[in-house]
Amino acid sequence: DVQLVESGGDLVQPGGSLRLSCAASGFSLSGYWIHWVRQIPGKGFVWVSRIKSDGRSTSFADSVRGRFTISRDDAENTLYLQMNSLRVEDTAVYYCARDKGHGTPFDLWGQGTLVTVSS
Amino acid sequence: DIQVTQSPSSLSASVGDRVTITCRTSQPIDNSLNWYQQKPGQAPRLLIYEVSTLEIGVSSRFSGGGSGTQFTLTITSLQPEDVATYYCQRSDSFGQGTRLE
Repeated sequence: DVQLVESGGDLVQPGGSLRLSCAASGFSLSGYWIHWVRQIPGKGFVWVSRIKSDGRSTSFADSVRGRFTISRDDAENTLYLQMNSLRVEDTAVYYCARDKGHGTPFDLWGQGTLVTVSS
Repeated sequence: DIQVTQSPSSLSASVGDRVTITCRTSQPIDNSLNWYQQKPGQAPRLLIYEVSTLEIGVSSRFSGGGSGTQFTLTITSLQPEDVATYYCQRSDSFGQGTRLE
């Protein structure tokens, strides 16, 4: 099956760190741009970060730049989001999603993983 | 950055109704406007891409249209399974969502 499966969400204290994983099956991550998008439960979507198909070009939302990094392990066909200096406002369900870049739609989403930042 | 504004925020309708959701962009865009459906507890599902192209497997009761800065998602002959929240998206920007009840 073609799918994305996120993991790594947890309860963490403010200032803490967490690494999210997005494992792909049925296709190669290296053929797509892969994004992280987050959603506060009951609210809308906010784009967080992306890595292009070249595996090197990355972008981040202003709210997470300097605190989050995105990387890809082609051997494991897995995407990672390293989240440092976490804030209460980072609390959300984090989804990974793929597209072909340049305005193409997110045609495949994972089921999401919940990150809760609270003391 | 181009901002995306969606309306209404919620919509109540009956089985068999036709409903329309509107998405406006802060400046004219090309055809890279997409629509998603999200049911409670589920991940979003792509419904329509490039303004009006139906994703494979999506009911023909869904249609998209528009150009410039105004775009629409129309659902005809509303069915109980259409209860969901609908989002438009352009690049890294998402609309605020329309909850259809």
